[in-house]
Amino acid sequence: EVHLLESGGGLLQPGGSLRLSCEASGFTFSSYAMSWVRQAPGKGLEWVSSISGSGDSTYNADSAKGRFIISRDNSKNTLYLRMTSLRAEDTAVYYCAKEGSGYYPYYSDHWGRGTLVTVSS
Amino acid sequence: SSELTQDPAVSVALGQTVRITCQGDSLRSYYASWYQQKPGQAPVLVIYGKNNRASNRASGIPDRFSGSSSGNTASLTITGAQAEDEADYYCSSRDSGNHLMFGGGTKLTVL
Repeated sequence: EVHLLESGGGLLQPGGSLRLSCEASGFTFSSYAMSWVRQAPGKGLEWVSSISGSGDSTYNADSAKGRFIISRDNSKNTLYLRMTSLRAEDTAVYYCAKEGSGYYPYYSDHWGRGTLVTVSS
Repeated sequence: SSELTQDPAVSVALGQTVRITCQGDSLRSYYASWYQQKPGQAPVLVIYGKNNRASNRASGIPDRFSGSSSGNTASLTITGAQAEDEADYYCSSRDSGNHLMFGGGTKLTVL
């Protein structure tokens, strides 16, 4: 059974930094692309970033470019999102999702329960 | 256009059929996927396109859910809607740059 467990969320001040983690189990982690998708309170889903199974290719939404870095450690079955220069509008639940492709974001067939990031002074 | 457009809200009588639509230029080239999200829960994949089929049901999804696509419009159809189908539904697709996008979501009410 696929299991994705996010961690690392919390309350931060504007301008702060944070690293989210997503521990994966139940599938061959290195064979699948992974994504981060966020959802602001009361709002819809917003794609943030994706990474290929090998980690060689990354894809980022405009909102993430220059501030967020997605990475993975296939030896630890763990996905990361390094977030810097955080803004109030980054406040959201951040979901980790397994993609149906090994190379790029395609369809997210499993999702974690999410971790809440709150940016506020 | 790099956007996907959905109706904000749709309602259906219990047991009737409802279609939720999603429009966007990317859908002319790439399959849509559909997600169901209930309050306080993570999204769940319902329908995805793959291997020349626009409508593949995800594991565990009842067969009353189906998908289709024509031109720039993708549709999710629920045939015989049940009370437990009341949820938010999001379409998603990727573009030529391998960027993902989501529609704004459709809140389905089962009356």
